[in-house]
Amino acid sequence: GENVEQHPSTLSVQEGDSAVIKCTYSDSASNYFPWYKQELGKGPQLIIDIRSNVGEKKDQRIAVTLNKTAKHFSLHITETQPEDSAVYFCAASIPAGKSTFGDGTTLTVKP
Amino acid sequence: DAGVIQSPRHEVTEMGQEVTLRCKPISGHNSLFWYRQTMMRGLELLIYFNNNVPIDDSGMPEDRFSAKMPNASFSTLKIQPSEPRDSAVYFCASSFAATNEKLFFGSGTQLSVL
Repeated sequence: GENVEQHPSTLSVQEGDSAVIKCTYSDSASNYFPWYKQELGKGPQLIIDIRSNVGEKKDQRIAVTLNKTAKHFSLHITETQPEDSAVYFCAASIPAGKSTFGDGTTLTVKP
Repeated sequence: DAGVIQSPRHEVTEMGQEVTLRCKPISGHNSLFWYRQTMMRGLELLIYFNNNVPIDDSGMPEDRFSAKMPNASFSTLKIQPSEPRDSAVYFCASSFAATNEKLFFGSGTQLSVL
């Protein structure tokens, strides 16, 4: 089955700096790669996603890149703010199938 | 839309007791997923349903766990008998079955088995 590895497990940045989280996947059939943000006491919430026919997608301060050949994708957050502090999960999904999640990255943005 | 609704938010029970977790998916969504989250194992998919039919229950840890979806607006996850190692946060999520993308998660049930 699919295996998703996520790095780093913890990340601390200064407010205003950029943060990058990286994931790799194993199943070449995976074609959908979402990122979720989980705040304390809440369920994960989708913040951005990318499909395998696209190399990059941007939404304001958040961007995701995908290298299908190397089977890795990354989340980039620019101009970080304290409210970006949370646990971030990447996932990989096969068509009409289940999503496999990475182990999560705890991001701390220091004011 | 109220989103995915889970109940109870917190459940404390004693080992050996039966526990039932409940979920109401977003109206119109026809896929429903049960996940378990722990520090050690992260987010694990237990089971998912498409159009009320269980599609993949390979993540259900053992026979003590069972899940049902009697209709499009309700699902239960039951643990009988419960054990301390079942302590975790259990999430329900829903999506459109055609793609099973864009999961919408509930707020979870924090289960503590003493």
